[in-house]
Amino acid sequence: EAGVAQSPRYKIIEKRQSVAFWCNPISGHATLYWYQQILGQGPKLLIQFQNNGVVDDSQLPKDRFSAERLKGVDSTLKIQPAKLEDSAVYLCASSPRGGVGQETQYFGPGTRLLVL
Amino acid sequence: SQQGEEDPQALSIQEGENATMNCSYKTSINNLQWYRQNSGRGLVHLILIRSNEREKHSGRLRVTLDTSKKSSSLLITASRAADTASYFCATNTGGFKTIFGAGTRLFVKA
Repeated sequence: EAGVAQSPRYKIIEKRQSVAFWCNPISGHATLYWYQQILGQGPKLLIQFQNNGVVDDSQLPKDRFSAERLKGVDSTLKIQPAKLEDSAVYLCASSPRGGVGQETQYFGPGTRLLVL
Repeated sequence: SQQGEEDPQALSIQEGENATMNCSYKTSINNLQWYRQNSGRGLVHLILIRSNEREKHSGRLRVTLDTSKKSSSLLITASRAADTASYFCATNTGGFKTIFGAGTRLFVKA
């Protein structure tokens, strides 16, 4: 079974530029998550999709971050414009059902973003 | 907001020794999960323990949960160099969100 795929693996941009990350979850998984992990910290949930719909985006900085999950499969996370403090690893995860009560999440390798 | 806090923040042991990491949380949970993250890699799920369970085993891993103390522990027996990683507890309070702690960094010396 193929795992969660993410691209690119690394990205270096200057502040105020835009960047986009892509995630392909495990086939058949209904729930998709985007996390931000700053060096030395645990992952922080940015947004959670259940199929096409958003179930939690309470910690997504909506003035600069956006995410979509078209057709309930792949997802993209965009930052526009980027700030220095956005330097982090962006992790995508998926789970079969998700929802209330949660369950095991399967993580991709992450995209390491450096904003100069 | 941080729900789970791991202790210690860092741990260094010799290969073959046991490693114990603790996680304390603030509010009642539905379940608690432990994840491992190797350097440069994504997180890997280790064990999920539900609020009505007290202990679970998986290979060399043993997880306990004490809901009265709002704490959990992860024991790795007979550690190996390959166990060197960061270990995170993640709590679910019954809603949609799972909250990760800051992690314990384990270093196993060969």
